[in-house]
This record gives sequence, C-alpha cells and structure tokens, in this order.
Amino acid sequence: QVQLVQSGAEVKKPGASVKVSCKASGYTFTTYYIHWVRQAPGQGLEWMGIVNPSGGSTSYAQKFQGRVTMTRDTSTSTVYMELSSLRSEDTAVYYCARDSEGTTGSLDYWGQGTLVTVSS
Amino acid sequence: QSALTQPASVSGSPGQSITISCTGTSSDVGNYNLVSWYQQHPGKAPKLMIYEVTKRPSGVSNRFSGSKSGNTASLTISGLQAEDEAAYYCCSYAGISTRVFGGGTKLTVL
Repeated sequence: QVQLVQSGAEVKKPGASVKVSCKASGYTFTTYYIHWVRQAPGQGLEWMGIVNPSGGSTSYAQKFQGRVTMTRDTSTSTVYMELSSLRSEDTAVYYCARDSEGTTGSLDYWGQGTLVTVSS
Repeated sequence: QSALTQPASVSGSPGQSITISCTGTSSDVGNYNLVSWYQQHPGKAPKLMIYEVTKRPSGVSNRFSGSKSGNTASLTISGLQAEDEAAYYCCSYAGISTRVFGGGTKLTVL
C-alpha cells in the first residue's frame, strides 16, 4: 500500500533552517510528483511547492521563493523540504503529499505531518 | 496567488444536505477542471474526497459530490452523518504545476 512517512517533530530557533524528510513506499517512487503543504496552528492549508522525484525539477509558491529547497534521493525513495531563515510564523505542521497525475492531479496520499516549532 | 474563498463554517442536521462553495478566479477555478476537495479531522492529515471537480476516489461515499460553475466550485454532502463533522478544503490547479487552497470550512453536524 502507498505510504508516505515523514520525519519527527523539530524545534528550531529563529533564523535557523529545518529539513523535513518524506519516505515513500508501495509504488514506483520516480513516477509521481510530491507536493509540500503546511498548516499553521488553527489555520488552513497552504501550498508550498512540488518536486519531481525523477529529474529533481521543482516549482515553488512565490511566497517561499528563495527560502525553500525541495530535493530528492532516489536511492532511498525520499524527498526533502528545507526551509531557511525561520521565523515564528513558520511554526506549522508540514505535510508531503503525492500528486495523482503528473503535475496537475489531486493530492491522493498524504504523509502524517511533521510539526515544526520556531521559538527562541 | 490569493487563497480561494470558502465560508468559514456551515452546519446541518443528520440526514440533511449541505453545500460548501469555493470561489476563485479565471486564473484558477474558472480556467481548469482541476478542483479537488479534502476532508480533515482534527489532528489528522487531509483526505481526498473529490478530484477533477466531480470524481470520487474509490472508497469515498457517494453522499459526497462536486460541481463547478464559472469561478465557483461546490461540494455537496447529502444525508449528513455525525462522522462528516470536519474541516473541508478546496484546492485548484493554478498553472505551471502550482496549486491554491481555500481557507477551509468547518462543518458542524447538529
């Protein structure tokens, strides 16, 4: 069965960086793009970007351009999302999710989420 | 890219039907038949309920249906059940691989 398993919770200081992982299993890793979506406490979902596990190409939301980097490791079927220059407003649960159809599909499978807390 | 507009909350009694609207622009909802809807219970990851405006994934109840007119998409839940109480989010393709989500709607089953 398709599974996306994310790394554990993180606590970071303002100005630091965080790198969250998302390990895929149950399907051919390089066939499906992966999105990253975040959710601040009590708030809605916010799309951050998408990565192609095959070639590594990316597309980021304008809001995160210059601060986010999405990468992948095909040897371990893992994608990564690194967010730099953290501030308190980046405190959120970060989700990875699989795109069902190239880059235009729905997000059909989700990871369990990773809580990132930014606090001095 | 601005978030899609959803009502903050809706409510209904068991057995009733409710509809949640999702308003975007001609650059997202109005330009693509690529609207999806997600259900999220507290503390859980979102779950796909509707894709490509009207399609249901395998395993999702046929009480859930979707539609679209112009720049507004809608999710209808018929025969409301207690377990439908959750937050619902719409999402639209917005070009060049990007997505935009709605602000979310909290459904209360009275």
